[in-house]
Amino acid sequence: EAQVTQNPRYLITVTGKKLTVTCSQNMNHEYMSWYRQDPGLGLRQIYYSMNVEVTDKGDVPEGYKVSRKEKRNFPLILESPSPNQTSLYFCASSHRTGVADTQYFGPGTRLTVL
Amino acid sequence: GESVGLHLPTLSVQEGDNSIINCAYSNSASDYFIWYKQESGKGPQFIIDIRSNMDKRQGQRVTVLLNKTVKHLSLQIAATQPGDSAVYFCAESRHNTNAGKSTFGDGTTLTVKP
Repeated sequence: EAQVTQNPRYLITVTGKKLTVTCSQNMNHEYMSWYRQDPGLGLRQIYYSMNVEVTDKGDVPEGYKVSRKEKRNFPLILESPSPNQTSLYFCASSHRTGVADTQYFGPGTRLTVL
Repeated sequence: GESVGLHLPTLSVQEGDNSIINCAYSNSASDYFIWYKQESGKGPQFIIDIRSNMDKRQGQRVTVLLNKTVKHLSLQIAATQPGDSAVYFCAESRHNTNAGKSTFGDGTTLTVKP
């Protein structure tokens, strides 16, 4: 089954404790992206990757890191989480053929930083 | 800055009626527009897309209209059903300058009354 998986689905942590949220897709997509979703603010793009070893900042990259060492994986790293990073996080991937860019989203990771 | 916004945060319709959800965008360079549906507890799912060189596209019970002159797009859902109740997001992406960046609107919550 074609899908985007994220782990963990739920995480409660404390300020300053490094964490990684994993994202994996099995569709051989070149493009992957991370978003955060907050009430009243829609989805905001954190980072994206056009292909292996190619990453770039979205609209809200501060406090986050990513890496793209393999095509299927795109982990999101919070080196020193803070309470304002409490949010619902979505990973997405797409196969960018010409103009089309339909993104397939993972189920989300709800992060709480105390 | 660039933005994508929806005119109404909530919309309530009677089952069987048609629904129209509107969205405005600010970036003239946007190449591609997508409507997503997000059900409670899930990630956004693709509904329909349209390229910037088109003004209308139809799917099954859904139609997207694009008016580039006023930077406006709409999603029309025919014969709305209870299963259509969800949050709807419009999104835009570009494939030249800032290729890879995607901007989402804040979302409209559609409630279908039986």
